[in-house]
Amino acid sequence: AQSVTQPDIHITVSEGASLELRCNYSYGATPYLFWYVQSPGQGLQLLLKYFSGDTLVQGIKGFEAEFKRSQSSFNLRKPSVHWSDAAEYFCAVGRTSGTYKYIFGTGTRLKVLA
Amino acid sequence: DGGITQSPKYLFRKEGQNVTLSCEQNLNHDAMYWYRQDPGQGLRLIYYSQIVNDFQKGDIAEGYSVSREKKESFPLTVTSAQKNPTAFYLCASSLQQGIDYGYTFGSGTRLTVV
Repeated sequence: AQSVTQPDIHITVSEGASLELRCNYSYGATPYLFWYVQSPGQGLQLLLKYFSGDTLVQGIKGFEAEFKRSQSSFNLRKPSVHWSDAAEYFCAVGRTSGTYKYIFGTGTRLKVLA
Repeated sequence: DGGITQSPKYLFRKEGQNVTLSCEQNLNHDAMYWYRQDPGQGLRLIYYSQIVNDFQKGDIAEGYSVSREKKESFPLTVTSAQKNPTAFYLCASSLQQGIDYGYTFGSGTRLTVV
């Protein structure tokens, strides 16, 4: 069965520092992979997605993610974090055929220190 | 601007009452989804609909019901059979099944049982 694991429940970084949020997935074929961001009390916004091709994908707000098939990972990165990046981040995996439903990870809450 | 509107933002329910959460989209998306979000559990799929007048149960459908009489609307009813309804509910839509353009989310409804 598909699954998504975000090992870090909370992460704290200083403003200006680099960021990496981890995501590991379990899927039998090449998955569709996504990162979403959620501000408190709001819905989720799509940051970036990977379907195929170049394993390094660029997203909005300066985020990028790298798909590593050998490690079953799709980690989210940002070179320099801004205070406005404080939010909860969700990784999701989707099926490539049939009825389309995402499986979401449990989320990583990011705190940014001034 | 196109988007998904969820209403109300906050909803309070007494024990034994049914309540209905509204979800409307003007994106001309085919598929619509309802997710429940609880702290530390990620997003769990309640129901989804690929076309008008058709919907399927997700992973946690017990105690919930939906309808899809119009393409734009996908209301969720939380019935008195739902034992623990206090949660944040998110509605989402996508352009079509099988080709993934990513979800668009509403801003959510927070339901509290009093």
